[in-house]
Amino acid sequence: GNSVTQMEGPVTLSEEAFLTINCTYTATGYPSLFWYVQYPGEGLQLLLKATKADDKGSNKGFEATYRKETTSFHLEKGSVQVSDSAVYFCALSENSGYSTLTFGKGTMLLVSP
Amino acid sequence: GAGVSQSPSNKVTEKGKDVELRCDPISGHTALYWYRQSLGQGLEFLIYFQGNSAPDKSGLPSDRFSAERTGGSVSTLTIQRTQQEDSAVYLCASSPTGQGGIGYTFGSGTRLTVV
Repeated sequence: GNSVTQMEGPVTLSEEAFLTINCTYTATGYPSLFWYVQYPGEGLQLLLKATKADDKGSNKGFEATYRKETTSFHLEKGSVQVSDSAVYFCALSENSGYSTLTFGKGTMLLVSP
Repeated sequence: GAGVSQSPSNKVTEKGKDVELRCDPISGHTALYWYRQSLGQGLEFLIYFQGNSAPDKSGLPSDRFSAERTGGSVSTLTIQRTQQEDSAVYLCASSPTGQGGIGYTFGSGTRLTVV
């Protein structure tokens, strides 16, 4: 079956530091990959996505590249802000037919001023 | 509506009581999903609706859990005889068609506490 593995948190950084949150996946086909973000007290919001190998998703300064050879979709940001403090979820869905999202367990990011 | 709306936002119930959680998806979205978010468990899929039908109920944890959707719109998740392990945040999401690769829009969730 499908699965997503994320690095455990919390990740603690100072403002303007570089961020990497690792995500690897196992899937039977060629999935689409997603990063969702959950700010305190809120629901999940789609941050970015990539639907095929070598695609790069980007939004709000965050980037992730779909690497089929390493089955990875690591999230990066060059300079984090306090407002980026949240829980980040990596997820995948199959591209054929209907597909539910399979999520990783989430990684909490804490950014201090 | 503009987003996915869930109610109530918080619910405290006594063990053994029944609860109903409501989800109002984005207008026109045919696919609707329920997930459960527990501490240490991440996000668990519960059930998927396409229109009013539920082709995938595989995530419902026991027969105390049921869900329905009417008019291709509002969905209700019912938990009967609640137990303390049912305490979690219940998230609803919708998507335009249910096809993979699109992603979902989530509501803010209902935090259920069973005491």
